Amino acid sequence: DAKTTQPNSMESNEEEPVHLPCNHSTISGTDYIHWYRQLPSQGPEYVIHGLTSNVNNRMASLAIAEDRKSSTLILHRATLRDAAVYYCILSATGFQKLVFGTGTRLLVSP
Amino acid sequence: EAGVAQSPRYKIIEKRQSVAFWCNPISGHATLYWYQQILGQGPKLLIQFQNNGVVDDSQLPKDRFSAERLKGVDSTLKIQPAKLEDSAVYLCASSPQVGGRRTDTQYFGPGTRLTVL
Repeated sequence: DAKTTQPNSMESNEEEPVHLPCNHSTISGTDYIHWYRQLPSQGPEYVIHGLTSNVNNRMASLAIAEDRKSSTLILHRATLRDAAVYYCILSATGFQKLVFGTGTRLLVSP
Repeated sequence: EAGVAQSPRYKIIEKRQSVAFWCNPISGHATLYWYQQILGQGPKLLIQFQNNGVVDDSQLPKDRFSAERLKGVDSTLKIQPAKLEDSAVYLCASSPQVGGRRTDTQYFGPGTRLTVL
């Protein structure tokens, strides 16, 4: 399984944008980039995923580098409810296997 | 739409005892997963079912862990006998098929927190 590297923790202030980076230099051409988040005492929650192009949904945006060796999850206006552990995961499409690392713990201050 | 249901939410047992966890996936989801999440780590896949067949159980400690999904709907994960290192949150997740194809998005339940004393 291709590996991802994320910072252990990041801090943000409420209502400010947050950029969560992820490095995946060994990504293969068929790997999708997935982001999940896990709020305290809950199961992980799907956030967004993409292959090559940038993606937007109601929760976040995903910016993928042109060489696909890194990506950034963008939360446009952080809220206190966005405090969670964010996981960046590579998965070969169709195989449905997610290998979680330790993720980035996002702290949001009022 | 109801989410993935798991029970119990919490369980405390003595080492060498047995324990079972139950999961009911989102209606119509063909793929079901069990994960183990040790404190401070990301979830680790234990077993993946496609309908009632096992797709991947390479990380399931088969000497003590077992899982079944007899009718392709709900599933049970059992540990017998439990060890101290089995203390963790056990998460169940499910995935739908879209147009007959499996999708990669997984929907997780709240988990069962197991403490082995």
